[in-house]
Amino acid sequence: QLQLQESGPGLVKPSETLSLTCTVSGISISSSTFYWGWIRQPPGKGLEWIGSIYRSGDTYYNPSLKTRVTMSVDSSKNHFSLKMTSVTAADTAVYYCARSWSPAGTPDFWGQGTLVTVSS
Amino acid sequence: QSALTQPPSASGSPGQSVAISCTGTSSDVGGYNYVSWYQQHPGKAPKLMIYEVSKRPSGVPDRFSGSKSGNTASLTVSGLQTEDEADYYCSSYAGSDTRVFGGGTKLTVL
Repeated sequence: QLQLQESGPGLVKPSETLSLTCTVSGISISSSTFYWGWIRQPPGKGLEWIGSIYRSGDTYYNPSLKTRVTMSVDSSKNHFSLKMTSVTAADTAVYYCARSWSPAGTPDFWGQGTLVTVSS
Repeated sequence: QSALTQPPSASGSPGQSVAISCTGTSSDVGGYNYVSWYQQHPGKAPKLMIYEVSKRPSGVPDRFSGSKSGNTASLTVSGLQTEDEADYYCSSYAGSDTRVFGGGTKLTVL
């Protein structure tokens, strides 16, 4: 049974780097043909696609976030990660990891999400 | 790349039908048949309800249906039930391996 679980600091200071990990269970990242992505949702607001990564390490980013975002995959730990640099209060959001069938395909299975607050 | 436009709210009485619109451009909604819809209850992760404009994942009631005309997609919920009260988000492939979401619509079952 597929499960996605986000983890990482819930509080990040302005100008610092946000780092999150999504641990995948129930399927092997290295042997699947899925794409693994991140979507965020500021409190009380809509969803924003951040990007996705394939098992090979190929990445696909939202153009508006591309300069600050880096995704990576660690098949040995069966997890993938998100780093976002130079964060501001506008980056405060619930961050979800999700699975899709293509680089920017429909995310069809989501983690429960984790709230990251940017504040000093 | 701008967010898709959805009405902030919609409502209907139990048993009625309600349609929620999602307007984009020819670069996203109008250019591809890759529109999807999500239902989100408070404090929960979004749940996929419709993909590729009108297809339903296994387990989604057939009361939920999707369609598209030009740059506007629609989600119709028929036979409204109290548990349908939630936020609904549309999403579309936007070319160049990117995706865009709508701002969300709060559906109230009166």
